Amino acid sequence: RKEVEQDPGPFNVPEGATVAFNCTYSNSASQSFFWYRQDCRKEPKLLMSVYSSGNEDGRFTAQLNRASQYISLLIRDSKLSDSATYLCVLWGAAGNKLTFGGGTRVLVKP
Amino acid sequence: ETGVTQTPRHLVMGMTNKKSLKCEQHLGHNAMYWYKQSAKKPLELMFVYSLEERVENNSVPSRFSPECPNSSHLFLHLHTLQPEDSALYLCASSQYVDSGNTIYFGEGSWLTVV
Repeated sequence: RKEVEQDPGPFNVPEGATVAFNCTYSNSASQSFFWYRQDCRKEPKLLMSVYSSGNEDGRFTAQLNRASQYISLLIRDSKLSDSATYLCVLWGAAGNKLTFGGGTRVLVKP
Repeated sequence: ETGVTQTPRHLVMGMTNKKSLKCEQHLGHNAMYWYKQSAKKPLELMFVYSLEERVENNSVPSRFSPECPNSSHLFLHLHTLQPEDSALYLCASSQYVDSGNTIYFGEGSWLTVV
């Protein structure tokens, strides 16, 4: 089983709709969780950290489910500018370094 | 944002060439990293430096040779590469290594080996 698994997508989302996707991880020792965003041919950038109690940042909501070993990202009222690849990132799973998922591609269409 | 800058942004090199990628961070961070991103594959960690000392080498072939002269600069020296080494090479930095700090990436160097 891969350390971090993500549905590669693409998720085709009508503008204004809600989209949600998960990331599963195999190592229960993972301590910190993040969502990074990567635009086409650009570098990844931190979107938000994921806290145990769940957290929200504007239209973005992140959740952590330690029992089932997954994190999720929900995007409400999708904008065209939300089109990107969303990378699930864990820390603490393998030698105290960041482990990246392969990313979930989201395409928001008018 | 110009926290982490990489040069060159694009590089085409032959298999017998020697070239170098350069990275500079202006964030006062102690840790610097090289990652490789190939098409349809997750980011692969190549090297980690903490205060100029290499703390991790992820089984990277010797044709890739990192150099960290100080905590703000990181180089990746390239020699006799293979076509499968063509990828996006990302430099990154964080406040400390071995922590869950946010990692900041440079814009990357697109490498094509012909």
